[in-house]
This record gives sequence, structure tokens and C-alpha cells, in this order.
Amino acid sequence: GAVVSQHPSRVICKSGTSVKIECRSLDFQATTMFWYRQFPKQSLMLMATSNEGSKATYEQGVEKDKFLINHASLTLSTLTVTSAHPEDSSFYICSARDLAGTGNTEAFFGQGTRLTVV
Amino acid sequence: LAKTTQPISMDSYEGQEVNITCSHNNIATNDYITWYQQFPSQGPRFIIQGYKTKVTNEVASLFIPADRKSSTLSLPRVSLSDTAVYYCLVGPVYNQGGKLIFGQGTELSVKP
Repeated sequence: GAVVSQHPSRVICKSGTSVKIECRSLDFQATTMFWYRQFPKQSLMLMATSNEGSKATYEQGVEKDKFLINHASLTLSTLTVTSAHPEDSSFYICSARDLAGTGNTEAFFGQGTRLTVV
Repeated sequence: LAKTTQPISMDSYEGQEVNITCSHNNIATNDYITWYQQFPSQGPRFIIQGYKTKVTNEVASLFIPADRKSSTLSLPRVSLSDTAVYYCLVGPVYNQGGKLIFGQGTELSVKP
């Protein structure tokens, strides 16, 4: 079945540095991917929609200059947290749908990336 | 996008059937209902999806009344490993760009 893979699964960085998270669709092409953030004991919050070959669409309240999204190919989207601060520490998750497969329409989620900013 | 309402938490015991109901009063004609399961520090995992009436797969059943303003996820004979957060989502699915907006979810705790 369709698989979405994230890398790294866990990262610790110093305050002020930038961190890049990769999201890959392993056996299907995804013109659109989604990025979520999840704080402890809370639900997933949609941050942005990543569009292959064009600019990402950010949800209200999400700083586009802080969370840079690049979707340069049909199987890879990256999220870069720039100038990270401790409050950016969170669980980041990406997802995508495979509509060219067997007709299943569920979204597939990556395993998530635990970011800790110290 | 239709808003969903679920109980915040539920408790059950091993071997019991668990039913989690989700309200989605503003569901649109082209919206489907999809349920996901999430374990701590993992991405959500698809459980089941339906449009109307009843859908059953190897892990769950989904009951949707005629007015589609609610749905019930039924987990037969739960085990400890079913302890997780369950999310009900409503929206169009035949669209790769269709957003998935998560509600608060239901935290299910299965006890021995």
C-alpha cells in the first residue's frame, strides 16, 4: 500500500538554528502534501498545504517565513523550521493522498518528526 | 469544512465492543466520513471510511444514518492495543488537495 515516510523521526537543535524535515511519498506521486503540527495532548493542527511546483498555502496564523515549505518533486516535500525557538518544539506530521491507485481515498500519514529546540 | 464533535474520552475493558459517535451536522453532499487512529508519537492511521449506511472492514464498522449528521465507529472486542486517540473527519476525498481538518478526537482507554 501507499506509504508516506518522514525523516528524521527525532531531532534536537539549538535555539536559533534551522531544521529541515523531509516527507516522501514512497510509491505514489503526490502533487499535494499537508503539514501538521501537534502539541502534547492536543489534536493535529494543519499548518500548510504543499503544492508541487508552486508556493505553499499557509493556514491562518502560521508564519510562512518561519516555516518554509518546498515541494520540488512529485514525491518530496520539505518543511524547514527557521530560527527555531523552544516554543517550536512539537511533533510535525505530513500526509498525502494516493488517488491514482486502487481507488482508496484515505490520506496516508508519515510517522512524524519530534522536534526539540533547546 | 464540516465541524465534528466527539466525546473527549472513553473507557472500556478488554473484549467489549466500543462505539464512538461523531456529530457532523453541517456535512455536505460530497463529504465522506473517515476515521483515523493515532498512537502516541505516531502519525494517524486510517481505520475506515464511508458515505452512507454501513461499512465494515476487518477492524471496524461504521454506521451512518440516513441524514448523515452523525456516524458511529464500532470496534468489536477491543484489546489493550486499541488504546489510542480516534479522530472522525468529514470532507471530500476524491481530491488530492482536499484538506483534512482534525477535531479534538476521542481518547479511548482499554483496561484489562
